[in-house]
Amino acid sequence: QKEVEQNSGPLSVPEGAIASLNCTYSDRGSQSFFWYRQYSGKSPELIMFIYSNGDKEDGRFTAQLNKASQYVSLLIRDSQPSDSATYLCATNSGNTPLVFGKGTRLSVIA
Amino acid sequence: DVKVTQSSRYLVKRTGEKVFLECVQDMDHENMFWYRQDPGLGLRLIYFSYDVKMKEKGDIPEGYSVSREKKERFSLILESASTNQTSMYLCASSLGTTNEQFFGPGTRLTVL
Repeated sequence: QKEVEQNSGPLSVPEGAIASLNCTYSDRGSQSFFWYRQYSGKSPELIMFIYSNGDKEDGRFTAQLNKASQYVSLLIRDSQPSDSATYLCATNSGNTPLVFGKGTRLSVIA
Repeated sequence: DVKVTQSSRYLVKRTGEKVFLECVQDMDHENMFWYRQDPGLGLRLIYFSYDVKMKEKGDIPEGYSVSREKKERFSLILESASTNQTSMYLCASSLGTTNEQFFGPGTRLTVL
């Protein structure tokens, strides 16, 4: 059974701080890694994807992938109250649907 | 931009009713998916489809069926709705299986 694990939170950070969200996965064959943001009552929206080891930056967001340790993380710099949401990590390998973690709830305190 | 639409945002049905949830995507995606999302349980895959008229069971297919007669449309059917099927239902599509999924707005179904 392929699994993706996330701390459910809530993770509380003050406004302007760096929020660090982590995810571990069980399938060593995982090739693609995605971070989704989901506001309460809304559907998930894609923030970033990463395929290769290392860092990938997009604005205030940085995704980090370490395949040897089987973890992927999302850093949010200069966190804003509008970043308060649940963040879902997802991976897949080969010809299979994405496997989603249950999400980490982030709360940015003004 | 990819657009995935779902037929209803909110739906209230009675136990035993047959329920149809429809999903349409406008980006010629091959793959379509149906999930339900419940507090504490995360997203759970019900069914998915890699092509027209093809369907595959996900993790929780019991009590559900699907239909994909056209590439852009994927329907979820609850043959006889039960109260434990009260949930948020999310449809998604993707170009390929390794590609990101794009979600519709969701249908919050309440079965009384």
